[in-house]
This record gives sequence, structure tokens and C-alpha cells, in this order.
Amino acid sequence: DAGVIQSPRHEVTEMGQEVTLRCKPISGHDYLFWYRQTMMRGLELLIYFNNNVPIDDSGMPEDRFSAKMPNASFSTLKIQPSEPRDSAVYFCASSLYLTENIQYFGAGTRLSVL
Amino acid sequence: AQSVTQLGSHVSVSEGALVLLRCNYSSSVPPYLFWYVQYPNQGLQLLLKYTSAATLVKGINGFEAEFKKSETSFHLTKPSAHMSDAAEYFCAVSGDTGGFKTIFGAGTRLFVKA
Repeated sequence: DAGVIQSPRHEVTEMGQEVTLRCKPISGHDYLFWYRQTMMRGLELLIYFNNNVPIDDSGMPEDRFSAKMPNASFSTLKIQPSEPRDSAVYFCASSLYLTENIQYFGAGTRLSVL
Repeated sequence: AQSVTQLGSHVSVSEGALVLLRCNYSSSVPPYLFWYVQYPNQGLQLLLKYTSAATLVKGINGFEAEFKKSETSFHLTKPSAHMSDAAEYFCAVSGDTGGFKTIFGAGTRLFVKA
């Protein structure tokens, strides 16, 4: 298995632009998580899905952030409009309920908003 | 609600010395406990997990952790540090009735001196 695949690996954009981050979970996994990692705040859970349905989005910072999972093999995290304070590394992770919530992380997308 | 506290944001050891990374947790239900490792520019990967079986858990790369309910601790150890162990280590807890969330600690960066 190729693991969790995230794209792009790096994104540089200007303030006010729309940014879309993509994630392909491990095939067969039924949970998908989006995290944000910064030096100041550490690793923060933004939202997670179970069987493509959003379960908890309490970590989404504000309405500028949205996440979708249209099918079991694809999810997006969108920021519109982007701001410099959104600069961070964004991770996607997936897990299978029967494996006691062991999470498998992608390599991350490093976002820089200028 | 569940929480995790990692004592020490940075730990420095000499090559060949004992590694001890401390983690205390809070949980209202028997928890699942994890240690993850993050190498530079990579996502997190599982080192080991505790899921109510043996209290001493062995993981990859010679690491192990002991679950002590009376102390609400899950400290990570390795008898002899290797240069390749230099990374950031995250303790995590999940299993609360509030859902399938995993709560991560703030992380401890391990430095290994030659």
C-alpha cells in the first residue's frame, strides 16, 4: 500500500487566494483526520470524518476553512481566503476502527501564505 | 475530557545513554495510549501502542513504554540512544466516549550527541 498521499507537498500563495489541499487515505480505512502543525500551537486536530461523514469539526479555526470527503478515497481541505497566519504544515491521517485508532499520517503539505 | 502532558519540550542525551521521555495522561475511561515519532519533513509514524493488554509495551527501534495506571503515566524509554533516534516524539491518548479523537501531546524533541 502506498500509504496516505497528500498533495501538493509545498504550496506558496499570496494572501487572499484560495488554497486547496488534497488527501488520499489508505484504501479500506474508515476514518480520516486533518491536522495542522505549527511551532506555536503544536499539532491541532481540525476535523475528522467517519465513512465520509464529518463527525467533529470543532477544531476548524473559522469559516474560511472547509473540508469535504466526497468519497472514501479522497478528501480536500480548502482555505478561502488565505491569510499569513494560516502558514503551517497540514497533515492528513487515516485509520481503521478495528485497529484501535492507530493513525497513519501522510507526509504533509507545507503551506506558506505571503 | 482526555488530555496529555509531555514533560520537557527538549531532551538531550549522549549516544549510548538511556532515553527517557515522560508522558502523563488524563482520561475518564480506560485509554488507548500511543507514542508516535516524527522525523524532519515527514508525517508522524507509530512507535508503539497500549490497548489494555500487557502494561509493558515494546515498539519499533528498541523503544518500550510502561503503562502505570496509579501514576497515569506512559513514559517512553530506550536503553541505548542512537544518532538516528533524533526526532520529535509525541504521546497521544484516545478512546474517550466523546468519539474517535486522538489527543496529542505537545511533543518532545530528542537530541542525541555524539
